[in-house]
Amino acid sequence: EDQVTQSPEALRLQEGESSSLNCSYTVSGLRGLFWYRQDPGKGPEFLFTLYSAGEEKEKERLKATLTKKESFLHITAPKPEDSATYLCAVQASGTYKYIFGTGTRLKVLA
Amino acid sequence: DGGITQSPKYLFRKEGQNVTLSCEQNLNHDAMYWYRQDPGQGLRLIYYSQIVNDFQKGDIAEGYSVSREKKESFPLTVTSAQKNPTAFYLCASSRDGEYEQYFGPGTRLTVT
Repeated sequence: EDQVTQSPEALRLQEGESSSLNCSYTVSGLRGLFWYRQDPGKGPEFLFTLYSAGEEKEKERLKATLTKKESFLHITAPKPEDSATYLCAVQASGTYKYIFGTGTRLKVLA
Repeated sequence: DGGITQSPKYLFRKEGQNVTLSCEQNLNHDAMYWYRQDPGQGLRLIYYSQIVNDFQKGDIAEGYSVSREKKESFPLTVTSAQKNPTAFYLCASSRDGEYEQYFGPGTRLTVT
């Protein structure tokens, strides 16, 4: 069964304290892995798509990496405005469905 | 500005009433999706449509119905048969089924 597990469930960081969020997945043939940011009461905002192991994408303080079993979202020197829930989703080959994880709630303290 | 709009932002209904949530996109995307989000759970797919006049059930379609008469519009009806309709509903679209999905702002439905 296709599955996505995100850890930790919640993370509190001091401003400037770098860390990583994990997304472990099992899928029968990966078409793509997607990272989203979601603020409270709003729709998810697309961040990255990763297609194959070894691929990396960067945007400002965020860097996403992919292996055959997991993806990491690295946050370098975070700021309070990076506080949000980060969602990971996978899409299996031959399907249009996404499987979402339950997210990591990130709080960055000033 | 291109994007996805959902209306209303908040919706309140009594049990036994059907309610329709609106979703419109001007991104010229072929594929559209409806998800439900509950606390502590991942987004769950209700229905999706790859093309006008065609749609497929997702994982939790019972008690919901959709239509896709225009490329831009994909309304979701929550019927009285849905046992636990109170949730945050999200609409999304993608260029086609193989590309990243973009989400609307969501509609929070409360049924009492």
